[in-house]
Amino acid sequence: DAKTTQPTSMDCAEGRAANLPCNHSTISGNEYVYWYRQIHSQGPQYIIHGLKNNETNEMASLIITEDRKSSTLILPHATLRDTAVYYCIVRPLIYNQGGKLIFGQGTELSVKP
Amino acid sequence: NAGVTQTPKFQVLKTGQSMTLQCAQDMNHNSMYWYRQDPGMGLRLIYYSASEGTTDKGEVPNGYNVSRLNKREFSLRLESAAPSQTSVYFCASRVDRVDEKLFFGSGTQLSVL
Repeated sequence: DAKTTQPTSMDCAEGRAANLPCNHSTISGNEYVYWYRQIHSQGPQYIIHGLKNNETNEMASLIITEDRKSSTLILPHATLRDTAVYYCIVRPLIYNQGGKLIFGQGTELSVKP
Repeated sequence: NAGVTQTPKFQVLKTGQSMTLQCAQDMNHNSMYWYRQDPGMGLRLIYYSASEGTTDKGEVPNGYNVSRLNKREFSLRLESAAPSQTSVYFCASRVDRVDEKLFFGSGTQLSVL
């Protein structure tokens, strides 16, 4: 699976958009980009995933560059409850296979009042 | 619907003792995973099971064994606990279909003295 690079930490003002970058320059054509977050002392939570088109759901938006070498997770109106560690992962989507998912260090996002 | 249930939530062991961490999911998922998380670090994969009856090593399997007892249950065993195994352990499960979200349990805090 392709490796990812994320900033160690970021700050964001409450109510503003939080833009979390992820570099995955060695991504392969069949690899998806996944985002998870982990609020302190809890298990990680799935946020969103995508292949090459931009994606949006009730939690966030995912913007993937045209060359797919990087992506940005956008929390449009960050709240204090969005303070967490955010993990970017890339891996292939293989139907009916259970391959391993490896989490890196992630970005620690602090949303401040 | 309980999702992924881990027991116990907390455990203290002495060096050399053995114990089994239990994990069960009620979502009919094929794949199950065990991760550990040390302070200030991301999640590291210990073992995973792509389907009932199969298990494979992850990034940090040494000192652990696993059993996929049936489709619902995936246990992690420490035969001779060491202080280096002090960590928070997370179990997760996933459906092997187009939707590849990982669902995590709430974790087991293990201390080895």
